[in-house]
Amino acid sequence: QKEVEQDPGPLSVPEGAIVSLNCTYSNSAFQYFMWYRQYSRKGPELLMYTYSSGNKEDGRFTAQVDKSSKYISLFIRDSQPSDSATYLCAMSETNAGKSTFGDGTTLTVKP
Amino acid sequence: AAGVIQSPRHLIKEKRETATLKCYPIPRHDTVYWYQQGPGQDPQFLISFYEKMQSDKGSIPDRFSAQQFSDYHSELNMSSLELGDSALYFCASSHGGGEDEQFFGPGTRLTVL
Repeated sequence: QKEVEQDPGPLSVPEGAIVSLNCTYSNSAFQYFMWYRQYSRKGPELLMYTYSSGNKEDGRFTAQVDKSSKYISLFIRDSQPSDSATYLCAMSETNAGKSTFGDGTTLTVKP
Repeated sequence: AAGVIQSPRHLIKEKRETATLKCYPIPRHDTVYWYQQGPGQDPQFLISFYEKMQSDKGSIPDRFSAQQFSDYHSELNMSSLELGDSALYFCASSHGGGEDEQFFGPGTRLTVL
């Protein structure tokens, strides 16, 4: 079993929909939680970076971390076609440590 | 703002050849990470350096080696290349002394024929 499991998708939603992306993990030592967006043949682009449990909001994006359940989520409000990409969750034990990634969820937002 | 720079962006090699990938971190970042992403796969951690010293090691084959230089750039050296080494190789950098996240470069696409 992988340390980080991500809802596989693919996910297809109409423009304007609210999108929920989720990951679970088994390593209780993870303290830092990240969401990356990756367009085809490009490097992962950091979207959200959170430490420990709680919520963090940045524009249309909200990241939630529930360490007691070992569960993290990324919500995208008012989704746009430009949000179409693969979204990767990632986690690390320390702020300068290696990241362990989920498999990614491919999202398509249809106009 | 300056981002992580990787070179070359594309590289084609034959089996058993060697390859060198270069990574230039964001200015003032002292930590570099290397990841390998196969087709349809998530990035897999290979190795990292903090202040020019190896800080962590993942699933890096013995045929690969890496180092970080005095100007903080890093090079990943790959020898005896195999077909299975074909992948995207990403470098990420962070400021290891603080609570900075990792920022990824655009990647080097290595194709081994």
